[in-house]
Amino acid sequence: RKEVEQDPGPFNVPEGATVAFNCTYSNSASQSFFWYRQDCRKEPKLLMSVYSSGNEDGRFTAQLNRASQYISLLIRDSKLSDSATYLCVVNLRAGTASKLTFGTGTRLQVTL
Amino acid sequence: DGGITQSPKYLFRKEGQNVTLSCEQNLNHDAMYWYRQDPGQGLRLIYYSQIVNDFQKGDIAEGYSVSREKKESFPLTVTSAQKNPTAFYLCASRPLGGSSYEQYFGPGTRLTVT
Repeated sequence: RKEVEQDPGPFNVPEGATVAFNCTYSNSASQSFFWYRQDCRKEPKLLMSVYSSGNEDGRFTAQLNRASQYISLLIRDSKLSDSATYLCVVNLRAGTASKLTFGTGTRLQVTL
Repeated sequence: DGGITQSPKYLFRKEGQNVTLSCEQNLNHDAMYWYRQDPGQGLRLIYYSQIVNDFQKGDIAEGYSVSREKKESFPLTVTSAQKNPTAFYLCASRPLGGSSYEQYFGPGTRLTVT
């Protein structure tokens, strides 16, 4: 089983739609969670951290369910500029080091 | 401007040659990381370093080497022992201490070996 699993998509949605991505992780000792956005042939950029209480940043809402070991990202009112690959990232802290484990990403294509 | 720079953006080499990828940061971050990304796969950790003159192997260190002589710099050498070196290489950094574990990435180097 992969440490972090995501549906690769692509998710093709019209502009203005609401779209949700889920991600599951296998290590219950994982301590922090992130969503990164990666545009084609570019580096990943931090979109948002994910907290147990859930958090929102404008049109983006992230949720964490520790009991079921999954993370979600909801995008409301999709824009063309949201088209990208969204990477689910899990941090497993080991001593003073931390190790990020990346999912393979979910590709989103927003169309007119 | 503070950030992470990687050079060059594209690199072409012949099989059997060693090649060194540059990574520099002026964010005063303690920890630095090297990943490779292949199509359809998540980022995989090659090496990381938390302090100068110290580094640890990641999940796929075979065929790679690194050095950390300065806090700002963490070059990666892809040796001829690396069986599939063609990939997108990403360098990242983060500060140590505090409760934040997110990493910040450079723009990457695309290496093609033929």
